[in-house]
Parts: sequence; structure tokens; C-alpha cells
Amino acid sequence: DQQVKQNSPSLSVQEGRISILNCDYTNSMFDYFLWYKKYPAEGPTFLISISSIKDKNEDGRFTVFLNKSAKHLSLHIVPSQPGDSAVYFCAASEGIQGAQKLVFGQGTRLTINP
Amino acid sequence: NAGVTQTPKFRILKIGQSMTLQCTQDMNHNYMYWYRQDPGMGLKLIYYSVGAGITDKGEVPNGYNVSRSTTEDFPLRLELAAPSQTSVYFCASSYKYNEQFFGPGTRLTVL
Repeated sequence: DQQVKQNSPSLSVQEGRISILNCDYTNSMFDYFLWYKKYPAEGPTFLISISSIKDKNEDGRFTVFLNKSAKHLSLHIVPSQPGDSAVYFCAASEGIQGAQKLVFGQGTRLTINP
Repeated sequence: NAGVTQTPKFRILKIGQSMTLQCTQDMNHNYMYWYRQDPGMGLKLIYYSVGAGITDKGEVPNGYNVSRSTTEDFPLRLELAAPSQTSVYFCASSYKYNEQFFGPGTRLTVL
């Protein structure tokens, strides 16, 4: 039973445009969410997080939106750059205190085309 | 700082062999984790530790053992390797509940 789902295995976006990556979750106890980025042959690196007390968190070109009623979150990258080409993982936990037990989605491979 | 280092980078095991995947961090983080990532899947937590001498099971602990005798090291032991343990293994560390820092991974194949 997949508690965190990223239904798009891949996404291709033109350089300079907006990239939108989506993530759905089923466990209503999840209230802390993170996005990680992964390049080939490297470990994931943390991008941005959001707690359920917010519906939006912004950090430079990256914004995460959370829709609790729909159990859905999305990562927006504006403008997209070639260096953003990577696999993006959504992760969730039961509160920030539970962040030692993250549940990851399957990942979305983002390709930014020049 | 080297961050989180993992050895070896690659390993091929025969069924029934055992091995230890090494993980070391130099950030003085109390929390450390072991994940596995199967092809096309997300990371799954195997074991984690909130400090030296304290470990707990994650989502997929069967077939693995861990120990944490120092803050820096968190080795993962496979006792009887099986083909189902073919995967990429990632170690991570964090300061309490903050972001986790990952190592580069160990690619293990069991034949």
C-alpha cells in the first residue's frame, strides 16, 4: 500500500518555463512534507519542506503548495533551469517529531530542455 | 566536512554470503538512518538510530541488523544475502528532526 504517490514517472519542461511536480498521500496522520532532489550516482539532497499549518512555502525558485483536504502537494520551480534536471522525491511524516520515519514517493524524473 | 560517507560504492555478493555496509558522518548528528531504493521505487527506511546505543526498526528491517556504538558510525549488516536484497543502499544523518543529509549510496547485487 503506497502511502505517498507520485503518479508521473517523468516530466519534460522547456528551460525558463514553470515545472510542476505533484504528490498525493493517503495517510491523514501525515502533516510534515519534504521534497528531495537526486542526481544520478548521488544521494538525495533536501530542497524544501512544509508543515500542515501552512499551505505554501517558498524558497527562491522553489515553492511547495499543500492542499490538506485533497491530500495533495505540489512543487513549483520557476524559472526552470538545465541544472534542475534530476529525480524529485516527495516524502512525508507524522509531524516534524516523526521526521525520522519518512515515507517516500516513487520519484519523478524532471528533464529541462534548452 | 566530508558529510556522510559510505563504503563500498559497489559490491556483488553470492546468495548466503554476509557483509557490512559502512556509514560514517562527521557532522556530529545524533540521528542516523539506513534506506534502500529499488529500481523505479522510492526510498524505504530499514533502520534508524536516535543516538549511540539506540536503534529502531523502520519499514523493511527483515534480513538486516544494525548497531550504533559511536555517534559517527552506523554500520548495516546483511547476514544471509538473498536476491531480494539487490538494491541501492543509502545512509543518512540529521540533527534531530531537521533535514536528512544522505551519503552517495552503495549499489549491491546478490547473485
